[in-house]
Amino acid sequence: GDSVTQMEGPVTLSEEAFLTINCTYTATGYPSLFWYVQYPGEGLQLLLKATKADDKGSNKGFEATYRKETTSFHLEKGSVQVSDSAVYFCALTPWGYQLIWGAGTKLIIKP
Amino acid sequence: DVKVTQSSRYLVKRTGEKVFLECVQDMDHENMFWYRQDPGLGLRLIYFSYDVKMKEKGDIPEGYSVSREKKERFSLILESASTNQTSMYLCASSFSDRPSYNEQFFGPGTRLTVL
Repeated sequence: GDSVTQMEGPVTLSEEAFLTINCTYTATGYPSLFWYVQYPGEGLQLLLKATKADDKGSNKGFEATYRKETTSFHLEKGSVQVSDSAVYFCALTPWGYQLIWGAGTKLIIKP
Repeated sequence: DVKVTQSSRYLVKRTGEKVFLECVQDMDHENMFWYRQDPGLGLRLIYFSYDVKMKEKGDIPEGYSVSREKKERFSLILESASTNQTSMYLCASSFSDRPSYNEQFFGPGTRLTVL
């Protein structure tokens, strides 16, 4: 069945470091791909999305490119801040209403 | 500003109690979802609803039921709470079933503890 695999956390970085959180997927057809973020004490919110191969989603300095050949959607940011500390979820929607979720990656940024 | 609200942020109940978790959205969304979130397991879908009075089982419906009498409100019911239902419960809603527009909007969550 369809699935999403994320790198395990926590990922700990210093402020201004480069961030990569890996996400790979298994799906039939042409799913849309998403990154959601959950800040401490809050619900999830959409960070960025891509709906077809080679699309790049971007928001708040974060980017991810839909790579069909490697079935990946890695999240990157050039210079992280303490305020980026959160849990990041990769997800895909193969059809209809539902989202298939990764397990989440906790990111800790130290000043 | 779009909004999904949940009736409680924190809830403590005893084993065997009937528990109601309420979710309300103000975006006129057709689809609503209930998830539970546990460390290392990500989000797991309990139930979802694509229309009033319609419901579909998700991945882990056992021990839960739902009710959707009005478009804006989706309730999760634990008929007889058990300790293994201690978790964070997240409600979400979405507007369309087209994948490109399938952004889900989430409430802040209810952290339920069953003693």
